[in-house]
Amino acid sequence: KAGVTQTPRYLIKTRGQQVTLSCSPISGHRSVSWYQQTPGQGLQFLFEYFSETQRNKGNFPGRFSGRQFSNSRSEMNVSTLELGDSALYLCASSLTYSFEQFFGPGTRLTVL
Amino acid sequence: SQKIEQNSEALNIQEGKTATLTCNYTNYSPAYLQWYRQDPGRGPVFLLLIRENEKEKRKERLKVTFDTTLKQSLFHITASQPADSATYLCALDIDAGGTSYGKLTFGQGTILTVHP
Repeated sequence: KAGVTQTPRYLIKTRGQQVTLSCSPISGHRSVSWYQQTPGQGLQFLFEYFSETQRNKGNFPGRFSGRQFSNSRSEMNVSTLELGDSALYLCASSLTYSFEQFFGPGTRLTVL
Repeated sequence: SQKIEQNSEALNIQEGKTATLTCNYTNYSPAYLQWYRQDPGRGPVFLLLIRENEKEKRKERLKVTFDTTLKQSLFHITASQPADSATYLCALDIDAGGTSYGKLTFGQGTILTVHP
């Protein structure tokens, strides 16, 4: 069974731009979560989608948004990028009613 | 304030010894606690989950304990090998009742290095 895939793997943007990251969960997984990982703050929860609905949300500004499609694929968008948004963005999927999460390799975003 | 602390930022041990990593939390009442392994440049990989009503769980060379009174989990790797070198993260649900599917709060991680 294929794992969680994320595209692109690396991205370089400049301040003020916006970016869209994509995540394809493991087949059969309907929950998709997004996390931001930085050396200073560690892994922080952004939001989680289940059946195209945002079910949980972390403490991030409204510039961070996401959505989920009917095939469970998910995208997250960051608008008006800031230098501090440079991070590894991780997507994780899980089965319904399961707490175990399967992570993708991440997208490394660099904001210049 | 709510906090998750993994006591050691880095842990160095000799091959063959038992590595013990600690995860402490305050002001939470998690329904479960998980441990993940993360290698450089990769996403975390799930290792073990232990529920609030379980004291101990084992998987091959791994053992996790969960003491809800002390608000602490210990993660042991027995007969450690250089291939066990990685960052180990504890994670828990901070919302009551274990209903926060897909929402984990992570500790900062412990970098384990096993020397041959």
